[in-house]
Amino acid sequence: EPEVTQTPSHQVTQMGQEVILRCVPISNHLYFYWYRQILGQKVEFLVSFYNNEISEKSEIFDDQFSVERPDGSNFTLKIRSTKLEDSAMYFCASSPRGRGGASGYTFGSGTRLTVV
Amino acid sequence: GQQVMQIPQYQHVQEGEDFTTYCNSSTTLSNIQWYKQRPGGHPVFLIQLVKSGEVKKQKRLTFQFGEAKKNSSLHITATQTTDVGTYFCAVVILTGGGNKLTFGTGTQLKVEL
Repeated sequence: EPEVTQTPSHQVTQMGQEVILRCVPISNHLYFYWYRQILGQKVEFLVSFYNNEISEKSEIFDDQFSVERPDGSNFTLKIRSTKLEDSAMYFCASSPRGRGGASGYTFGSGTRLTVV
Repeated sequence: GQQVMQIPQYQHVQEGEDFTTYCNSSTTLSNIQWYKQRPGGHPVFLIQLVKSGEVKKQKRLTFQFGEAKKNSSLHITATQTTDVGTYFCAVVILTGGGNKLTFGTGTQLKVEL
């Protein structure tokens, strides 16, 4: 079964450093997303991406964050100047259509980001 | 923004007991999806409901969408230890610029032998 792959599985970074989280969505999916989940809390929407541009973003997704699809297969989330409160699990997801359809959104296994 | 609340927040059951989680919205929903997240895992899509009053079953799981499309429920019959995890309802919200899946607060299920 096709899956969304994320690397690395765990990233530890110093406060103020930049990190890039990487994702390979399912190849025939058109919509891509980043979500985050602080330990023990609900899954929060960050950004959606379609047709090589951001289609929707949350209030969490400020100037510190950016996304890119550099080569047609990878989908990256960059966090500039990380803060302690950026520590969370970051999930990438993809869907064939905007509503998700009958197959819903497919999530990757996540990258656990720890800012120290 | 649109909020979907789930109750209960936590549920402990004995193996073999039934379990139900409820999802409520103050506004009419166009659709609702359900996801399961195992401890330490990622959300996994279970099902999507679209029609008013819709009921769908997956083995021991029964999903229901309210007649007014403002609430939904997930019922598990005769729970097993493999049912352990957090169950989230989620709504796809279409906006002028795109779309986003907004998750409910989740219900964490623990099953004891």
